[in-house]
Amino acid sequence: DAGVIQSPRHEVTEMGQEVTLRCKPISGHDYLFWYRQTMMRGLELLIYFNNNVPIDDSGMPEDRFSAKMPNASFSTLKIQPSEPRDSAVYFCASSSTVTNEKLFFGSGTQLSVL
Amino acid sequence: GENVEQHPSTLSVQEGDSAVIKCTYSDSASNYFPWYKQELGKGPQLIIDIRSNVGEKKDQRIAVTLNKTAKHFSLHITETQPEDSAVYFCAARRQGGKLIFGQGTELSVKP
Repeated sequence: DAGVIQSPRHEVTEMGQEVTLRCKPISGHDYLFWYRQTMMRGLELLIYFNNNVPIDDSGMPEDRFSAKMPNASFSTLKIQPSEPRDSAVYFCASSSTVTNEKLFFGSGTQLSVL
Repeated sequence: GENVEQHPSTLSVQEGDSAVIKCTYSDSASNYFPWYKQELGKGPQLIIDIRSNVGEKKDQRIAVTLNKTAKHFSLHITETQPEDSAVYFCAARRQGGKLIFGQGTELSVKP
């Protein structure tokens, strides 16, 4: 298996622009998580899905952030409009109840909002 | 909610020495405690985990201990090698709950 695949690896955009981050979880995994990593706040859980349904989005910072999972093999995290304080590394992770919910992370998207 | 504290934030050891990273958690109902290793430019990778029905678990040079009464758990790396240099994260979760991460420890192993 190729693991969790995220795109793009790097994204540089200007304040006010829309940003879309993409994730393909490991095939067969029924949980998908979006995390944000910064020096100040560490690894923060933004939202997670179970069987494509959002379960907990309490970590989403504000209405500018939205996430979707239209099918079991694809999810997006969208920021509109983006702000400089959104600059961070965004990770997608997936897990399976069959494997005792061990999280497998993607390589992340480094987002810079100028 | 759960709160996980991790110490130290940075740790430097000589190759061949042991390294110990400690974490405390606040939620007594937490029952799953994984450790992740993050190398530069990569996502965190699970290296070992322990559940609350076990006090210690070992995998080659890595071991984790859990003290449920004191609500703390530790990662032990023996015979450290330069490739062990990375950021290590502990985490805790209760059944059905969210995985909460510590702030991370940057380990540097000097040859």
